[in-house]
Amino acid sequence: GNSVTQMEGPVTLSEEAFLTINCTYTATGYPSLFWYVQYPGEGLQLLLKATKADDKGSNKGFEATYRKETTSFHLEKGSVQVSDSAVYFCALSDLGSNDYKLSFGAGTTVTVRA
Amino acid sequence: DSGVTQTPKHLITATGQRVTLRCSPRSGDLSVYWYQQSLDQGLQFLIQYYNGEERAKGNILERFSAQQFPDLHSELNLSSLELGDSALYFCASSVDSGRGGDTQYFGPGTRLTVL
Repeated sequence: GNSVTQMEGPVTLSEEAFLTINCTYTATGYPSLFWYVQYPGEGLQLLLKATKADDKGSNKGFEATYRKETTSFHLEKGSVQVSDSAVYFCALSDLGSNDYKLSFGAGTTVTVRA
Repeated sequence: DSGVTQTPKHLITATGQRVTLRCSPRSGDLSVYWYQQSLDQGLQFLIQYYNGEERAKGNILERFSAQQFPDLHSELNLSSLELGDSALYFCASSVDSGRGGDTQYFGPGTRLTVL
């Protein structure tokens, strides 16, 4: 079956620090990969996505590259802000399973201190 | 604002009761997904409807059921509620073009508390 494993948190950083959250996946087919973010008290928002190998998704200074050889989709940001404090979820959608449901990782809580 | 609406925002009820959660998808989206977020289980897929028909089922209990109406809004019915059903329930919608990789847009969620 499909599964996503992401770095356990919580992660605490200072402003302007570099952030990386590791994500690896197992899929039966050829998945699309997503990073969603959940700010306190809110729903999930799509941060970025990639639909094929070597694609790089980017948004708001965050980047992630779809690496098929290592089955990974690590999230990075070069200089975090206090406003980046949130829970980050890695997820996949696998056409091989004949539906498009999202399988999520456990989530990583990130806190950025001023 | 994702364009997906969910009502109510909060629900507090007692064990053994039945509740209905409602979701309106984004305009033009035919697929509705329901997810449950709890501290111990994380984010779990429950069920998907596409254009009124059930398409996929996940870890949905037999006490739970859902439907999608002709106007594409969806309802998730939870019955014989137990303490462990307390969670945040999200609805998401997607165009589901058939090519894969379509974004799912999430509503703000309904927080269910079972006392």
